[in-house]
Amino acid sequence: QQPVQSPQAVILREGEDAVINCSSSKALYSVHWYRQKHGEAPVFLMILLKGGEQKGHEKISASFNEKKQQSSLYLTASQLSYSGTYFCGTETNTGNQFYFGTGTSLTVIP
Amino acid sequence: DGGITQSPKYLFRKEGQNVTLSCEQNLNHDAMYWYRQDPGQGLRLIYYSQIVNDFQKGDIAEGYSVSREKKESFPLTVTSAQKNPTAFYLCASSIGTALNQPQHFGDGTRLSIL
Repeated sequence: QQPVQSPQAVILREGEDAVINCSSSKALYSVHWYRQKHGEAPVFLMILLKGGEQKGHEKISASFNEKKQQSSLYLTASQLSYSGTYFCGTETNTGNQFYFGTGTSLTVIP
Repeated sequence: DGGITQSPKYLFRKEGQNVTLSCEQNLNHDAMYWYRQDPGQGLRLIYYSQIVNDFQKGDIAEGYSVSREKKESFPLTVTSAQKNPTAFYLCASSIGTALNQPQHFGDGTRLSIL
């Protein structure tokens, strides 16, 4: 029931791009994305609702393919401040259920 | 400023002891959540509450209990039945009762066994 994220970890140089994927075995109504810096609380980035929408937040954007039960987070021209662990959170179609994904550790180096 | 306050920041539990973690929010949010995070792991839902005096179990509710007597407060008790309580506990809240609302997190409580 916990969505699976890939890759588990990625190291980037400043300015490079990355894609983080979130895949669920259940039909989804919405997908959340959060970033957590080491030792801190997760911070909300964006929500995508059923309907296959795509959203952007500065140089971070995301897409949601409800047919494939997948979401992807796109980080372009990465900055050092992008380092952290990224979690997707999924709301299922079949009732009041919400699960966070397995997490992707992203490290941006100079 | 509005936010979520968790206390204490660090907590130590002796064997066989119950401990209570505090979570207070002044955001006027309807829903509140408790998550457990183990090192290098994701967040797992313990309990959540969408309205006062009502709460639902998450995936790992065994060994934990909660109450929601006030909208602003959602304390979590880690009972002696929870055999492996060492973890980082996060409280969150969201506006409305639907799960498709952003969750705002407190700074967490680190619980360790003595």
